[in-house]
Amino acid sequence: AQSVTQLGSHVSVSEGALVLLRCNYSSSVPPYLFWYVQYPNQGLQLLLKYTSAATLVKGINGFEAEFKKSETSFHLTKPSAHMSDAAEYFCAVRGRQGAQKLVFGQGTRLTINP
Amino acid sequence: ETGVTQTPRHLVMGMTNKKSLKCEQHLGHNAMYWYKQSAKKPLELMFVYNFKEQTENNSVPSRFSPECPNSSHLFLHLHTLQPEDSALYLCASSQEGGAGGGYEQYFGPGTRLTVT
Repeated sequence: AQSVTQLGSHVSVSEGALVLLRCNYSSSVPPYLFWYVQYPNQGLQLLLKYTSAATLVKGINGFEAEFKKSETSFHLTKPSAHMSDAAEYFCAVRGRQGAQKLVFGQGTRLTINP
Repeated sequence: ETGVTQTPRHLVMGMTNKKSLKCEQHLGHNAMYWYKQSAKKPLELMFVYNFKEQTENNSVPSRFSPECPNSSHLFLHLHTLQPEDSALYLCASSQEGGAGGGYEQYFGPGTRLTVT
């Protein structure tokens, strides 16, 4: 069964600084991987996804993530944080075969300091 | 309307009430989902529907009753709920079975449910 672990339930960075949100997955074969963002009182919005093409995936709002099979990681980064990036971020995994269940991490709340 | 819509956005109900949550997807997808999001817990998948047929029920109590009359609409009927059922209920949809894989899910804004 697939699972994801997000390291750090809270991350705080200064405006303009690098954003790094960590996600490690557990799966017997490389799965599909996703990052979602949730703003207050809203649903989840897809930031980017990995489906086995390029290992460096670019998403919306300047975010990108790199799939590293050797480290079973899919960390999310953004070179320069904006105040509008403050939100909760979720990493999710889905197996390539069988059930279509999307398994989410516990989320990381990102705070941007002015 | 575009994407996935949910109504109502907020709902307060007593433990003896009966209410329903509605979800509609305008994306032409063939699968729909209900999730529960509680404070300090990961998102929990509740139900999965493919082509209107329920294909997954993650041990959800019978006080939650889903209904999928067609591939665009999904309901969650609620009755005799408990205070611990207070949460954000999210609906999602995806297109399953196509080429290319990925099958990302698109989420609605959610219904904030409070059980008193």
